[in-house]
Amino acid sequence: DQQVKQNSPSLSVQEGRISILNCDYTNSMFDYFLWYKKYPAEGPTFLISISSIKDKNEDGRFTVFLNKSAKHLSLHIVPSQPGDSAVYFCAASNQGAQKLVFGQGTRLTINP
Amino acid sequence: NAGVTQTPKFRVLKTGQSMTLLCAQDMNHEYMYWYRQDPGMGLRLIHYSVGEGTTAKGEVPDGYNVSRLKKQNFLLGLESAAPSQTSVYFCASIQGTEAFFGQGTRLTVV
Repeated sequence: DQQVKQNSPSLSVQEGRISILNCDYTNSMFDYFLWYKKYPAEGPTFLISISSIKDKNEDGRFTVFLNKSAKHLSLHIVPSQPGDSAVYFCAASNQGAQKLVFGQGTRLTINP
Repeated sequence: NAGVTQTPKFRVLKTGQSMTLLCAQDMNHEYMYWYRQDPGMGLRLIHYSVGEGTTAKGEVPDGYNVSRLKKQNFLLGLESAAPSQTSVYFCASIQGTEAFFGQGTRLTVV
């Protein structure tokens, strides 16, 4: 029972273009959503988050959009840079439960 | 500023052997977690702890035990390793809703 799903295992984008990573969730109790970035042989690192009371959060080149009615969120990276090549994990939590549930991850490759 | 430290970083076990993975955090966080990462499966929660002396089961707890005798340490034990436990293990401590991860332990069970 995958509560958080990232249906695209991989994504390839040209440098300078927009990267859009998608995530769907099934548990309507989730009220906080996060994106983590992971390089090989390293632990995941926090990238950006959004509370369920918002529909957009922006931090530099990274923007996360939340569509609660569709139970869908997306991460936009503009412009994409080679250093953005990594695996991106979507995560969700019910703040009362203090547990993070992760998606399967999407491997993003930025081509020069 | 060590953050979250996992030891060992790599280990090869024979089926049936036991071992303990250590996670140490210096951020005084109450919540600590053990995840495993497998291809196509993302990060799955094994066990977690909401404070010293407490532990709870996550999504995939079978075959693992944990202990949180000190606030800064969270131990993950494999009593009798199986090939299905070949994975990369990540420890995390959480403040609010942000998780801080260790660098991972790559475990191979042959």
